[in-house]
Order: sequence, then structure tokens, then C-alpha cells
Amino acid sequence: DQQVKQNSPSLSVQEGRISILNCDYTNSMFDYFLWYKKYPAEGPTFLISISSIKDKNEDGRFTVFLNKSAKHLSLHIVPSQPGDSAVYFCAASLPALNRDDKIIFGKGTRLHILP
Amino acid sequence: DGGITQSPKYLFRKEGQNVTLSCEQNLNHDAMYWYRQDPGQGLRLIYYSQIVNDFQKGDIAEGYSVSREKKESFPLTVTSAQKNPTAFYLCASSPDRNRGNQPQHFGDGTRLSIL
Repeated sequence: DQQVKQNSPSLSVQEGRISILNCDYTNSMFDYFLWYKKYPAEGPTFLISISSIKDKNEDGRFTVFLNKSAKHLSLHIVPSQPGDSAVYFCAASLPALNRDDKIIFGKGTRLHILP
Repeated sequence: DGGITQSPKYLFRKEGQNVTLSCEQNLNHDAMYWYRQDPGQGLRLIYYSQIVNDFQKGDIAEGYSVSREKKESFPLTVTSAQKNPTAFYLCASSPDRNRGNQPQHFGDGTRLSIL
């Protein structure tokens, strides 16, 4: 039972254009969402997060949008750069009151930035 | 610099042998995690620990064991009972969730291969 789903295993985008990575979740109790970026043979690095009380969070070229009614979030990268080529993981966690520090990860989307 | 150190980066094991992967953090984080990454599988949680001397099974704990005798250290033992141990293993840590939402920080991983 996959609670966090990234339905696109890969995505190719032209350099300079916008990259949009999508993520769907099934548990309406999730209150914190994160995006991680991962290069081969390295650990994931935290990119950006959003709390469920917001619908948008922006950090430079990266913007995350949250649509709670649709249980959907997306990561926008604009403009896309060659260094953005990596695997992107969407993740979600339950409220701290749940006394559970687990974060649930999606399977990832491999982004290719084309020259 | 604060961070998470996993060692070794590459590890080879003969069938039937136990092997221990090291994970040390100097971030003063309360929670620590072990994940396994296989191609197309994303990050799957093996074990996690929210506090010293306590740990919980994740989604795929069979064939693995952990200990948390010190806050800084969370070693993972891959036992001979783990039938398919070849994978990329990632360790992560995070502050206590009760202090607010915080992302997990990851080490650079250990690639385990069976000879």
C-alpha cells in the first residue's frame, strides 16, 4: 500500500524550461511534505518542504505547490539547469503528536535536463 | 562541519556472513534511520530509532538488526538471514519531531555487494 506515489519514473525537460514533478498521497493526516534530490552513489539532499497549512512555498528556482483537496503536490523548477538532472523524491510525514518520526518516501522521478 | 558519516562506502560480503554498516552523526539529532534503496524501489525503511536505547522496525526489518547505545551512533547489521542483501544502504537523522518539522539529513550511503 503506497501512501506516497510518484507516477512518472522519469521526465526529460529542455534546459531553461520549467520542470514539473508530481506527487500524490493517500493519507489525509500527512501534515508535512518534503522534496529531496539525489545524485547517483550519494545520499539524498533536502530541497524544499511545505506544511499542510500552506499551499505554496518558494525558494529561489524551486517552488512546491500543495493541493490538499486533491492530495497532490508538485515541485516546479524554473529555469531548469543541467545540474538539476537527478532523482527527485517526494516524502510526507504525520503530525508530531502521532509520536512517529517516520517519513514516507515515494519511489522517485528521474529528471533529465536536455541541452 | 556537522553531518552524517557512513562507512565504508563499498562493502563486499560472502554469503552466510553477517556484516555491520556504520553510521555516525554529530548533529545532536535524536532520531536516526536506516533505509535501503533498490532500483525502481525508492527508499524503504529498515529500522529507526527516536531515542537512545530504543528502536522500531520499519517496513523491511527482516534479516537486519540495529543498536542505539549512543546518541551519535546507529549501526546496522545485515545478517545471513537477509536473502537479498545487495543494495545501497542509507542512514539518516533528524531532530526530535516535537521540536517542529525538520527534514532528515542523509549520509552518502554504503553499497553492499555479495561475492
